[in-house]
Amino acid sequence: NAGVTQTPKFRILKIGQSMTLQCTQDMNHNYMYWYRQDPGMGLKLIYYSVGAGITDKGEVPNGYNVSRSTTEDFPLRLELAAPSQTSVYFCASSPQGLTETQYFGPGTRLLVL
Amino acid sequence: ELKVEQNPLFLSMQEGKNYTIYCNYSTTSDRLYWYRQDPGKSLESLFVLLSNGAVKQEGRLMASLDTKARLSTLHITAAVHDLSATYFCAVVYAGNMLTFGGGTRLMVKP
Repeated sequence: NAGVTQTPKFRILKIGQSMTLQCTQDMNHNYMYWYRQDPGMGLKLIYYSVGAGITDKGEVPNGYNVSRSTTEDFPLRLELAAPSQTSVYFCASSPQGLTETQYFGPGTRLLVL
Repeated sequence: ELKVEQNPLFLSMQEGKNYTIYCNYSTTSDRLYWYRQDPGKSLESLFVLLSNGAVKQEGRLMASLDTKARLSTLHITAAVHDLSATYFCAVVYAGNMLTFGGGTRLMVKP
C-alpha cells in the first residue's frame, strides 16, 4: 500500500512552458485535493475532487486545470507557467471528505524561471 | 473570507516545559485539523476535531476545539526534542475546503 504518490519530485520550468503534476492514490479514496505551499506559509487549496468525473475550484485555481477520470489519479496541469507558480505542490486524499484524516503525498517542488 | 491565525509564529522552548499553540478563525466552522510538518517533508495529520468541545490527545500533544470562541488549542506537555517541527491548524469551510493557518515553528532545546 503506497498511499499517495506524486511525480516528479522536482522540476524546473521556463516561463510559458506547460507541465502535468501526477498524483495517484491506492487507498480507494473518493476525495482528492491539490494544494500549494509557498515558502514559510500554510497550504492553499487549488482544486479538489469528490469522485471520478467531478472536480471543483479551491481558493487559488487560476493558472491550473485538473481532471479526474479514475478514482486513483488526479493530475494537475499547469498551462503557461509563471514565476508566481514557483511553489511546493501537495496532493492529498481522504475517504469521504473532511470529516476524516487527509493523507498527503510527498510533494513536488516546482521552480519557474 | 475565512481567516485563520496561529500564534505564536515561532516558539523556542526547553525540554520538559509545557506550552500552548493557539489557532483563531474568523467565521463559523465546527471542524478543524492539526498537522505536523518536518522541514522539507510532507504533512502528517495529528488530530481531526469535529465538534464543539472536542478534545483529543496523542502522547504529549492534546488538541481542543471551542467553536463558540472560534478557537482551537494545541497543548504540549513536557516537550521533547522530537516534537520540533512546524504545526499547522486548518479550518473546514464550505463543506470541502480547508483554510490553513500560517504555522507555528516549534523548536525544543535540550
